[in-house]
Amino acid sequence: EDQVTQSPEALRLQEGESSSLNCSYTVSGLRGLFWYRQDPGKGPEFLFTLYSAGEEKEKERLKATLTKKESFLHITAPKPEDSATYLCAVQVGQGGSEKLVFGKGTKLTVNP
Amino acid sequence: ETGVTQTPRHLVMGMTNKKSLKCEQHLGHNAMYWYKQSAKKPLELMFVYNFKEQTENNSVPSRFSPECPNSSHLFLHLHTLQPEDSALYLCASSQDNKQGPWNEQFFGPGTRLTVL
Repeated sequence: EDQVTQSPEALRLQEGESSSLNCSYTVSGLRGLFWYRQDPGKGPEFLFTLYSAGEEKEKERLKATLTKKESFLHITAPKPEDSATYLCAVQVGQGGSEKLVFGKGTKLTVNP
Repeated sequence: ETGVTQTPRHLVMGMTNKKSLKCEQHLGHNAMYWYKQSAKKPLELMFVYNFKEQTENNSVPSRFSPECPNSSHLFLHLHTLQPEDSALYLCASSQDNKQGPWNEQFFGPGTRLTVL
């Protein structure tokens, strides 16, 4: 069964304290891995797509990396506005039977 | 309007009511999706429409009925729901490649549904 596990469930950081969020997956045939940010009362907002092991993407204070078993979202010198729930999803299947399998998310709180 | 819009934003209904959720995307995409987000659970894919054709029905109960009249509009018709169906229902759209991996999906703000 395709499975995505995110850790930790919740993370509290002080402003400027760098850290990483983990997304590990067990899927049959990874087609792509997506990171999203979700603020309370809103829909997920797209951050990154990674397609192959070794790939890295960066956006402001965020950097996403991918290996064959997991992905990391590194947050460098976070600010309070980075507080949100970060969701990881993997695309599995092909030939009309594709779907996204999401993890439960990591709730990040950055204190000033 | 820009991006993906959903109406209503909040809905309270009894178990015998019939209601519909509406989603509209202004991005020129060709694929649309319905997701369910419950507390403490991952986002669950419910339905996928590629080029207006339903290509995925993720074992969703028949009390949920999707409709996609064109590539910009998506509806979710609800009838005889149960209290456990209370959740945030999210619509998303993307530009589907058909042959290759999916492109990123853009989500609407969701409809918060409460079933009494």
